[in-house]
Amino acid sequence: AQSVTQLGSHVSVSEGALVLLRCNYSSSVPPYLFWYVQYPNQGLQLLLKYTTGATLVKGINGFEAEFKKSETSFHLTKPSAHMSDAAEYFCAVYNYGQNFVFGPGTRLSVLP
Amino acid sequence: DARVTQTPRHKVTEMGQEVTMRCQPILGHNTVFWYRQTMMQGLELLAYFRNRAPLDDSGMPKDRFSAEMPDATLATLKIQPSEPRDSAVYFCASGLSRGREQYFGPGTRLTVT
Repeated sequence: AQSVTQLGSHVSVSEGALVLLRCNYSSSVPPYLFWYVQYPNQGLQLLLKYTTGATLVKGINGFEAEFKKSETSFHLTKPSAHMSDAAEYFCAVYNYGQNFVFGPGTRLSVLP
Repeated sequence: DARVTQTPRHKVTEMGQEVTMRCQPILGHNTVFWYRQTMMQGLELLAYFRNRAPLDDSGMPKDRFSAEMPDATLATLKIQPSEPRDSAVYFCASGLSRGREQYFGPGTRLTVT
């Protein structure tokens, strides 16, 4: 069965600093991978996705993620954090014939 | 700007009462999901529909929960009778297929006292 782990339930960065949110998955075959963001009292919103092709994927709001098959990872990065990036971030994995599996989430705080 | 809509946004009810949550998926999406989000369990898949047919409801407590799609524009999640442990935020999401990105509604925050 596929699973997703997100290292760090809470990450704090200073405004302007690099954001790095970690996601590792377990899957017998390369899955589809997604990052979602959830702002307070809202639903989840797609940030970016990897299906096939280029392993570096760019998303909205300046975020990007790189699929590394050898490390079974799909870490999310942003060069410079903004106050508006404070939210909960979820990594998700999909394999054909199975359901989406969401990670437990990482809450990002951005300090002034 | 196409969005998934959910009603009500908030619901407070007493234990034992029936609760019905409604979802309007994005027009043209044939896949609908119901999720429950709690602090302890995170995001859990309750049910999944494709072309209005329920394909997976293994995550749903069968004795009290039921999910239906009376038509392509409406999905419902019903709890009868409700219990305090059902307190959570319930999300509906829709998509073009199970493996494609899902578009989430704003959620229904349910409190059962």
